[in-house]
Amino acid sequence: EAGVAQSPRYKIIEKRQSVAFWCNPISGHATLYWYQQILGQGPKLLIQFQNNGVVDDSQLPKDRFSAERLKGVDSTLKIQPAKLEDSAVYLCASSLGQGATGELFFGEGSRLTVL
Amino acid sequence: QQQVKQSPQSLIVQKGGISIINCAYENTAFDYFPWYQQFPGKGPALLIAIRPDVSEKKEGRFTISFNKSAKQFSLHIMDSQPGDSATYFCAASRGFSGGYNKLIFGAGTRLAVHP
Repeated sequence: EAGVAQSPRYKIIEKRQSVAFWCNPISGHATLYWYQQILGQGPKLLIQFQNNGVVDDSQLPKDRFSAERLKGVDSTLKIQPAKLEDSAVYLCASSLGQGATGELFFGEGSRLTVL
Repeated sequence: QQQVKQSPQSLIVQKGGISIINCAYENTAFDYFPWYQQFPGKGPALLIAIRPDVSEKKEGRFTISFNKSAKQFSLHIMDSQPGDSATYFCAASRGFSGGYNKLIFGAGTRLAVHP
């Protein structure tokens, strides 16, 4: 079974530029998550989708971050404009159910460096 | 009250020794406590999980001990091997109590097992 796919794996941009990350979850998984993992910290949930709908985006900096999940499958996370503090690994995860009590399957992440 | 505090930040253990990582939480509504393992360049992967109706859960060399009254839980890795060298994250949620609740991760423990 194919895992969660993410791209690009690495991205370096200047501050105030924009960047987009793509995620393809495991087939059949209804729930998709975007986490931000800053070096030395645990993953922090940015946004959670249940099929097409947003379940939780309370920690998403909406003035600069946006995310969408079209047709309940792939998702993109966009940052515009980027700040230095956005340097982190952006992890996409998926799960069969709503996920708070089930296994989350993570992708390998997209590492963003903002200069 | 939503935090999960993890210690130590880093741990060095000799091959064959016991690795112990501790976590503490404040929210008594939490009812699901998983541990995730993350290797460099990879996303976290579920290792083992426990609910508060049991005090211990063992899977192979990995054991979770849970102390509900102290609001603490720990991961024990018996006969630690160099292949166990990774970062370990504890997490908590209250997903079983109904409704949505997100998974809160600790800051992580970097384990190095020396041969």
